[in-house]
Amino acid sequence: KNEVEQSPQNLTAQEGEFITINCSYSVGISALHWLQQHPGGGIVSLFMLSSGKKKHGRLIATINIQEKHSSLHITASHPRDSAVYICAAYSGGGADGLTFGKGTHLIIQP
Amino acid sequence: DAGVIQSPRHEVTEMGQEVTLRCKPISGHNSLFWYRQTMMRGLELLIYFNNNVPIDDSGMPEDRFSAKMPNASFSTLKIQPSEPRDSAVYFCASNPLAGPPGGGELFFGEGSRLTVL
Repeated sequence: KNEVEQSPQNLTAQEGEFITINCSYSVGISALHWLQQHPGGGIVSLFMLSSGKKKHGRLIATINIQEKHSSLHITASHPRDSAVYICAAYSGGGADGLTFGKGTHLIIQP
Repeated sequence: DAGVIQSPRHEVTEMGQEVTLRCKPISGHNSLFWYRQTMMRGLELLIYFNNNVPIDDSGMPEDRFSAKMPNASFSTLKIQPSEPRDSAVYFCASNPLAGPPGGGELFFGEGSRLTVL
């Protein structure tokens, strides 16, 4: 079973700062997902990637398949970015093929 | 296009009562997933359907839990009888592809927050 680790678990930063959240996994994967969950809210898919880099607005996700590592970056962070960010690694197969990290709780202070 | 719709958003019930959670996936999506989220265990897959057929229910905690998908636009997750340890947020998600979770982008609903007293 894939082991998915996220760091840091908690992060507090000031508005405008560049944010990096890391995700590492133990087993080779087909795809990696980044999800966002606001307090008391639903879960939104931010990215699904299998190689290289993807960008959407101020969010950038990168993955290094050889190192089994992915990062989520937020540029010019804003208080509305405050949320829990969850990575999930997909290694194929059946129901056990998607393993979630425990999440990074991000707070952006104005 | 409307996203995944779940109801109720919040449910408070007493131990022993039956609870039914409902989900309407995005039209045209061919797979549906039920997840449970708790502080201790994070997100756990309970069951998933492909083309309305249950594929894997190994995540369902015990016989008190059951799920159905009578057609492509509706699914239910039922807990009978409910217990306090069932208190959690239950998410429904759908995907355009028929396959296991993670093979395609996941579209989640807003969740149903269940509290069993």
